[in-house]
Amino acid sequence: AQSVTQLGSHVSVSEGALVLLRCNYSSSVPPYLFWYVQYPNQGLQLLLKYTSAATLVKGINGFEAEFKKSETSFHLTKPSAHMSDAAEYFCAVSRGAQKLVFGQGTRLTINP
Amino acid sequence: DARVTQTPRHKVTEMGQEVTMRCQPILGHNTVFWYRQTMMQGLELLAYFRNRAPLDDSGMPKDRFSAEMPDATLATLKIQPSEPRDSAVYFCASGSGTGTDTQYFGPGTRLTVL
Repeated sequence: AQSVTQLGSHVSVSEGALVLLRCNYSSSVPPYLFWYVQYPNQGLQLLLKYTSAATLVKGINGFEAEFKKSETSFHLTKPSAHMSDAAEYFCAVSRGAQKLVFGQGTRLTINP
Repeated sequence: DARVTQTPRHKVTEMGQEVTMRCQPILGHNTVFWYRQTMMQGLELLAYFRNRAPLDDSGMPKDRFSAEMPDATLATLKIQPSEPRDSAVYFCASGSGTGTDTQYFGPGTRLTVL
């Protein structure tokens, strides 16, 4: 069975600082991996996805993630946090049938 | 700008009442998903459809929940009878059906069962 673990339910960084949100996955076959963002009172929006092409994936709003098979990780990073990045972030895994399994989410707070 | 729409956005009802939530997928998308989001359980897949046929509803309590797609532009999720533990945000998402496809989420229906 596939699963996703997001380390840290709440991450707080200062504006302009590096954002690092951690995601580890468990899958018996090469996975497809996704990061979604959810702003308050809204649905989820895709940030980026890994589909077995380049291991470094660039997404919207300056975010990127690197697939590391040896570490079964797909951590999300952004070099410089902006106040508008405050939201909840979800990592998800799919084995190709489009059934996404989501992590528990990480709430990102940006301090001025 | 194509979007998934959901109605109603908010619903407050009393225990035992029937609740119907509606979703209009993005035109041309052939896959529709229903998710439930709660603080305790996070995001859970309830059911999904491809070309209007249910492919998997194993995440859905069968005794009280039902999901249908009367046509390609409408998906419904019904709860009858509703219970306080059904209080959650229910999201619909649609996609074009490939394995790596992006799922586009609607804004959700926030359900409160008193």
